[in-house]
Amino acid sequence: NAGVTQTPKFQVLKTGQSMTLQCAQDMNHEYMSWYRQDPGMGLRLIHYSVGAGITDQGEVPNGYNVSRSTTEDFPLRLLSAAPSQTSVYFCASSYSGSEAFFGQGTRLTVV
Amino acid sequence: GENVEQHPSTLSVQEGDSAVIKCTYSDSASNYFPWYKQELGKGPQLIIDIRSNVGEKKDQRIAVTLNKTAKHFSLHITETQPEDSAVYFCAAPTRDTGRRALTFGSGTRLQVQP
Repeated sequence: NAGVTQTPKFQVLKTGQSMTLQCAQDMNHEYMSWYRQDPGMGLRLIHYSVGAGITDQGEVPNGYNVSRSTTEDFPLRLLSAAPSQTSVYFCASSYSGSEAFFGQGTRLTVV
Repeated sequence: GENVEQHPSTLSVQEGDSAVIKCTYSDSASNYFPWYKQELGKGPQLIIDIRSNVGEKKDQRIAVTLNKTAKHFSLHITETQPEDSAVYFCAAPTRDTGRRALTFGSGTRLQVQP
């Protein structure tokens, strides 16, 4: 099993550009989440999903969209990138909302 | 929402010594408390967790204790080794998500000096 796979690993965007961060899991987990990690602030929840077709906002959802068309995939879309979105993004999945498995992260720089 | 506070932010110990990291949480109904280890350039990895029906759990050199009355839990690492050097995060279920996602502490950077 690959676990949770995130692509790309690194990305540089110009302000105003849009892009999609990909996340896929092969563990048949119902719950998936996106977090951003900034220095000294831990991981903050952006959006989460409890199953295909069901998504909801977390602590810092502004500027991001998500969708969950399949159990396996949970892409995160940046609509119009801003320098404040420079961060490391992590996708996670879990069976019941407790033991979460994380991907390797996407390091995003917005210039 | 849930608030998780973690201390200290940095911790330096000599190889072989013990390390203790502490977290407090605000939601008295929280029932699951995991600890994650993050190595440089990698995603967080679960190292140990505890549920609210027990007060302590051990796994080799790692242990977690929980005090529900005081709403705090701690990670204990004994006989530290250089490979224990990493950033450690505590977490608790986020009440605003129906406890379907986690709220994390701000992290502790542990440095084990050889």
